[in-house]
Amino acid sequence: NAGVTQTPKFQVLKTGQSMTLQCAQDMNHEYMSWYRQDPGMGLRLIHYSVGAGITDQGEVPNGYNVSRSTTEDFPLRLLSAAPSQTSVYFCASSYGGTGRQPQHFGDGTRLSIL
Amino acid sequence: SQKIEQNSEALNIQEGKTATLTCNYTNYSPAYLQWYRQDPGRGPVFLLLIRENEKEKRKERLKVTFDTTLKQSLFHITASQPADSATYLCAPGGFQKLVFGTGTRLLVSP
Repeated sequence: NAGVTQTPKFQVLKTGQSMTLQCAQDMNHEYMSWYRQDPGMGLRLIHYSVGAGITDQGEVPNGYNVSRSTTEDFPLRLLSAAPSQTSVYFCASSYGGTGRQPQHFGDGTRLSIL
Repeated sequence: SQKIEQNSEALNIQEGKTATLTCNYTNYSPAYLQWYRQDPGRGPVFLLLIRENEKEKRKERLKVTFDTTLKQSLFHITASQPADSATYLCAPGGFQKLVFGTGTRLLVSP
């Protein structure tokens, strides 16, 4: 069992570039979420999905897109990277509703926007 | 807006003592509260979940309390070990979302 796998682990982008952060889970979890973690801010929810084909916005969705075509994968797309998007991004999955079930996190993608 | 407060200063204790971490929340009535451990360069790892109708929950050396009147959760690690050194995050939540605190760093010295 790999759990939640995030790729890449590190990435440096220039302002204006686009990229996709990959997230895959092999636990057949319905719920998947993307968070960003910044110093002094805690984890903030970007987007989440309650199942294949269903996504919704979190606290800080601007500048990010998601889609969920399969249960296993939940990619996060940066449309036009900005320095304010420099952060560590975590993907998480859970069996049921996020609040009432343990979240399984990946080890993150560390993203720098120059 | 919802606000989660955890001690931003590191908690330093000696091996064998009990560590107590505090999580306070405002403008919020969570049905659940979760605690996670995070090591440098790694993702958070789930430790315990407590429901609003539960006052206390235990798992091995860990104990969590949930006081919905005080809007506070306490997280205890008994007989602490240097391997317990990490950042601990609290996350109150409803059915679909969790709101994470910034975490408290625990340092256990031999």
